[in-house]
Amino acid sequence: DAGVIQSPRHEVTEMGQEVTLRCKPISGHDYLFWYRQTMMRGLELLIYFNNNVPIDDSGMPEDRFSAKMPNASFSTLKIQPSEPRDSAVYFCASSGPLASGRLLDTQYFGPGTRLTVL
Amino acid sequence: GESVGLHLPTLSVQEGDNSIINCAYSNSASDYFIWYKQESGKGPQFIIDIRSNMDKRQGQRVTVLLNKTVKHLSLQIAATQPGDSAVYFCADRGGADGLTFGKGTHLIIQP
Repeated sequence: DAGVIQSPRHEVTEMGQEVTLRCKPISGHDYLFWYRQTMMRGLELLIYFNNNVPIDDSGMPEDRFSAKMPNASFSTLKIQPSEPRDSAVYFCASSGPLASGRLLDTQYFGPGTRLTVL
Repeated sequence: GESVGLHLPTLSVQEGDNSIINCAYSNSASDYFIWYKQESGKGPQFIIDIRSNMDKRQGQRVTVLLNKTVKHLSLQIAATQPGDSAVYFCADRGGADGLTFGKGTHLIIQP
């Protein structure tokens, strides 16, 4: 399995522009999570889906952020308009049926998208 | 609010020695804990997990200990190797499906 795939790996944009981050979860996983990582705040959960349905979006910072999961193999996180304080590494993670040796569903993380808003 | 936190931001150990990374949590409802390792430029990678009804769980060169009395979690790495250099995060799940992560401890391996 290729693992969780995220694109792009790096994104540099100017303040006010729209940014779209993409994620392909591991095939067969029914949970998908979006996290944001900064030096100041560490890893923060933004939103997660179960079977393509958003379950908890309480971590989404504000209305400028939105996430969709149109099908089981694709999700997007959109920021419109972007601001410099949105600069961070955004991770997508997925989890699914219990894997051997695991107690509970383990979240598998993608490589992340490093976003820089100028 | 309640959160998961780490005692030390940086830990330096000699190659071959054992490492112990500590974590304190405050959410009494947490029933599942997990350790992740994050290398530079990569996403967090699962190391080991433990449920609240367990005190200890062992993996390959790693052991997680859970002390529910004092709400303390530790990760022990035996015979530390250069490849163990990374930031280690503890996280807990307090009832919902999302994880709450600590700030992380940077483990540095001295040759």
